[in-house]
Amino acid sequence: AQKITQTQPGMFVQEKEAVTLDCTYDTSDPSYGLFWYKQPSSGEMIFLIYQGSYDQQNATEGRYSLNFQKARKSANLVISASQLGDSAMYFCAMREVTAFNKFYFGSGTKLNVKP
Amino acid sequence: DTGVSQDPRHKITKRGQNVTFRCDPISEHNRLYWYRQTLGQGPEFLTYFQNEAQLEKSRLLSDRFSAERPKGSFSTLEIQRTEQGDSAMYLCASTPRETQYFGPGTRLLVL
Repeated sequence: AQKITQTQPGMFVQEKEAVTLDCTYDTSDPSYGLFWYKQPSSGEMIFLIYQGSYDQQNATEGRYSLNFQKARKSANLVISASQLGDSAMYFCAMREVTAFNKFYFGSGTKLNVKP
Repeated sequence: DTGVSQDPRHKITKRGQNVTFRCDPISEHNRLYWYRQTLGQGPEFLTYFQNEAQLEKSRLLSDRFSAERPKGSFSTLEIQRTEQGDSAMYLCASTPRETQYFGPGTRLLVL
């Protein structure tokens, strides 16, 4: 089974609008971390936001927030007030603490912000 | 700049040749990861070091691949007898605890 599933290969959003990128995960590890990374066309992976499995509140970092629904095993990324520079690939990732801190990545969502 | 660095950034080689990539993590980050990323896909885990100990290896890492982190600082990834299927971006990341910080990657093309 896939550890991380991103079901949206591509998304379009109008500049200044909000957009939600979906991510579901699968783990039996009670302790895990969830991450979102941005990969522009230049190729470098840029860390955006982190959510620990025991965190009670949803993580926020500037225009990024992580909608964490533990029972549904989902960790959606919400980008508010989209900017043209947000156009990139976005990857959801999970770290399983007891499995030697192994990381798993989804297949990514290509976000295009339209002017 | 104190981020993760990788060398070389690009490598073109002929099938059957050996290649070696280097990763310098952020200093004092004791965990180091190698990934492979092909076009349109997310990074795939290859191997993981905690200090100098290689704790985990993916089944993707055939016997042609070897990685070292001899003094717990920089790491090298060697691919022997390269094949065209090895063409990919090879990413290195380091972490002190939770968050991984990635280097710019080494893009390998095997002709």
